[in-house]
Amino acid sequence: DSGVTQTPKHLITATGQRVTLRCSPRSGDLSVYWYQQSLDQGLQFLIQYYNGEERAKGNILERFSAQQFPDLHSELNLSSLELGDSALYFCASSVDPMGFTEQYFGPGTRLTVT
Amino acid sequence: QQQVKQSPQSLIVQKGGISIINCAYENTAFDYFPWYQQFPGKGPALLIAIRPDVSEKKEGRFTISFNKSAKQFSLHIMDSQPGDSATYFCAASKRSFGNEKLTFGTGTRLTIIP
Repeated sequence: DSGVTQTPKHLITATGQRVTLRCSPRSGDLSVYWYQQSLDQGLQFLIQYYNGEERAKGNILERFSAQQFPDLHSELNLSSLELGDSALYFCASSVDPMGFTEQYFGPGTRLTVT
Repeated sequence: QQQVKQSPQSLIVQKGGISIINCAYENTAFDYFPWYQQFPGKGPALLIAIRPDVSEKKEGRFTISFNKSAKQFSLHIMDSQPGDSATYFCAASKRSFGNEKLTFGTGTRLTIIP
């Protein structure tokens, strides 16, 4: 158990809908990363937050957004969902990017868009 | 652009044998190279990591070999066990502020047979 929690575990929704994925980092970790894992694209970085502020952006679609709250939990919002958004979404956390510490992954949320 | 190339895609090794997975990277700015192990339905778990100032790092049965001039690194699993059957991902990042995102290889599905 990495100490990173993600909810829900599974999510099934229809095209055009909007969903919110939630992540709680390990205790004391300030940085949260979101990754998408799909069969055709592999594990891809989406976005990073550090202590409430966006720190880095990857291949994140404009339909997707994220935020990190004062209690350091993070939410990934996916809107206008398409079939191709079906994937596993992982959150990872690390203590402090300036300390260059390891990233620990949560169990993921499996999103199925029908 | 695939910045981290991983091979083989799948690997079958007999119990007690040595499993070897290779990765090559393109971005010479990368300075942190972790390996993750992922079981079905779980998130990637950090296995072992290396920085380019050393050529080898060993933790138990797991060893990373690093060749900076060739821009290659590999994971060796000694005395492979059925419990090692999983998908392994190499990754790379640049440990500077805002660049900590992990770039992953495409994964190797390892099967250890009795």
